[in-house]
Amino acid sequence: EVQVLESGGGLAQPGGSLRLSCVASGFTFSTYGMSWVRQAPGKGLEWVSGIRGGYTYYAESVKGRFTISGDTSKNTLYLQMNSLRAEDTAVYYCAKDLYSSSVGRFDLWGRGTLVTVSS
Amino acid sequence: QSVLTQPPSVSAAPGQKVTISCSGSSSNIGYNYVSWYQQLPGTAPKLLIYDDNKRPSGIPDRFSASKSGTSATLGITGLQTGDEADFYCGAWDSSLSAVVFGGGTKLTVL
Repeated sequence: EVQVLESGGGLAQPGGSLRLSCVASGFTFSTYGMSWVRQAPGKGLEWVSGIRGGYTYYAESVKGRFTISGDTSKNTLYLQMNSLRAEDTAVYYCAKDLYSSSVGRFDLWGRGTLVTVSS
Repeated sequence: QSVLTQPPSVSAAPGQKVTISCSGSSSNIGYNYVSWYQQLPGTAPKLLIYDDNKRPSGIPDRFSASKSGTSATLGITGLQTGDEADFYCGAWDSSLSAVVFGGGTKLTVL
């Protein structure tokens, strides 16, 4: 079955760090564009970061604080989140792109992992 | 403030048709493909439309979309109560080098 499964969410203090993981099954994640998309409680979708063919992309709101990466041997996507702020509190979704050459046509989504930033 | 602009809510009766607009600019909708997503309550988003007007397999033809200039429109016919959800448009923004979404539209089937 083709799926992605996120983990690593939890409670972090302001200024702290967390690393999210997204394990891909049924496909080779490095073949496609992959992204992290978040949704704050009661709010809309916000794209956070994407990776495609070795290139990485970030939303302005997380640039310099978050780092996206992947481990092809584990078929796993990561999001290292540093200098966390209260406004980073959200459900973080891992999303697969439809094509290898694009970022932004998400045909497969995980169930999400909740990140709460609070003291 | 979202880069793409959608109406906060739309409503219609069962069996009727509804449209949801998505307005952007030349750097996103005007130059790149638009995707539409449906998010049912308590679930992850699901791809409804990609490349402006294409449906993934399994998406019924009650869902359609179009694009003109810097605006896109999602149409849903034969509304069902099970269609009640939040709908989002999205596109790559070439100026921002980022994916941008609309703020979302809540569909109520009265």
